[in-house]
Amino acid sequence: EAGVAQSPRYKIIEKRQSVAFWCNPISGHATLYWYQQILGQGPKLLIQFQNNGVVDDSQLPKDRFSAERLKGVDSTLKIQPAKLEDSAVYLCASSLARASGVGDTQYFGPGTRLTVL
Amino acid sequence: AQSVTQLDSHVSVSEGTPVLLRCNYSSSYSPSLFWYVQHPNKGLQLLLKYTSAATLVKGINGFEAEFKKSETSFHLTKPSAHMSDAAEYFCVVSAPYSSASKIIFGSGTRLSIRP
Repeated sequence: EAGVAQSPRYKIIEKRQSVAFWCNPISGHATLYWYQQILGQGPKLLIQFQNNGVVDDSQLPKDRFSAERLKGVDSTLKIQPAKLEDSAVYLCASSLARASGVGDTQYFGPGTRLTVL
Repeated sequence: AQSVTQLDSHVSVSEGTPVLLRCNYSSSYSPSLFWYVQHPNKGLQLLLKYTSAATLVKGINGFEAEFKKSETSFHLTKPSAHMSDAAEYFCVVSAPYSSASKIIFGSGTRLSIRP
């Protein structure tokens, strides 16, 4: 079974530039998550989709971050404009959950390492 | 609101000795609790999870954790450490009905194994 795919794996940009990350979840997984993991910290949930709908975006900085999941499969996360403090690894995960998601196991991709100069 | 606290940022044990990684949580709801492991240059992987069934949960690679509601704890243990256990471990609380963030990761505990 193929795992969660993410691209690019690495990205270096200047502050105030824009950047986009792509995620392809495991086939058949209804729920998709984006996390930000700053060096030395645990992942922070940015947004959770169930199919096309947003379940939780309470920690997404909506003035500069946006995410979409078209057709309930692939997803993109965009930052515009980037700031120095956005340097982090951006992780995508997926899970089977079609209901509340209680106790659902998440499967993580390898992440995209973003450096903002 | 909910939160999770990993009480040790770094734990070092000798190979063959027991491992204890401590996690305390706070939640207004009946949460699910997880332990994930992150090996260097590898993705996060589920070790085990508690979802309101048995309070003693067994996971992969000989790890287990006990849910103690009275102590709001979910500590991770292993009877005998192996060199391959060296990694970063994250305790996670999930409460889908929370009005704030529904999934919270702890700050992580780095486990080192001495030969």
